[in-house]
Amino acid sequence: RKEVEQDPGPFNVPEGATVAFNCTYSNSASQSFFWYRQDCRKEPKLLMSVYSSGNEDGRFTAQLNRASQYISLLIRDSKLSDSATYLCVVGYYNNNDMRFGAGTRLTVKP
Amino acid sequence: DTAVSQTPKYLVTQMGNDKSIKCEQNLGHDTMYWYKQDSKKFLKIMFSYNNKELIINETVPNRFSPKSPDKAHLNLHINSLELGDSAVYFCASSQEGRELMTQYFGPGTRLLVL
Repeated sequence: RKEVEQDPGPFNVPEGATVAFNCTYSNSASQSFFWYRQDCRKEPKLLMSVYSSGNEDGRFTAQLNRASQYISLLIRDSKLSDSATYLCVVGYYNNNDMRFGAGTRLTVKP
Repeated sequence: DTAVSQTPKYLVTQMGNDKSIKCEQNLGHDTMYWYKQDSKKFLKIMFSYNNKELIINETVPNRFSPKSPDKAHLNLHINSLELGDSAVYFCASSQEGRELMTQYFGPGTRLLVL
């Protein structure tokens, strides 16, 4: 079983739609949680950290459920520029180790 | 200025050759990493160094040898290249500490072994 699992998609949605991505992680010792974004043929970049209390950044909302070992990302009012692969990431403070999911591909269409 | 840089950007070579990829970061970070992203786009950690000391060494063939001459540089040398080594290799860096774990990635090195 992979340490971080995501639905690979693809998710094809129209502009303005709301879309949600889910992620599960297997190691209960995971300590930090993130969503990264990767555009085609580019490097991954941090989208947002994920906190137990949930956090929001504009149109993006991230949630963490430690009991269920589940992380989510909600994108409201999708834009064409949101088209990318979204990577779920878990980390460990003691050695700065980071484990990436395989990513969920999103295409937003006009 | 580029925060994390890698050279070369593209590398096409024959099976059996030895090649190196260089990585430099100017962010003052303590930790540097090498990741491999295969054709299925799965990003997998290979190595991490903290202040020139090897911290993480995943199950990677001995043909791969990282070298960190100082904390701003982490190079990757690959001996006897194989077809399965074809992938995109990303270098990354991060700072230590709970709030500082954000990883900054280089632009990637696209390796094709023929």
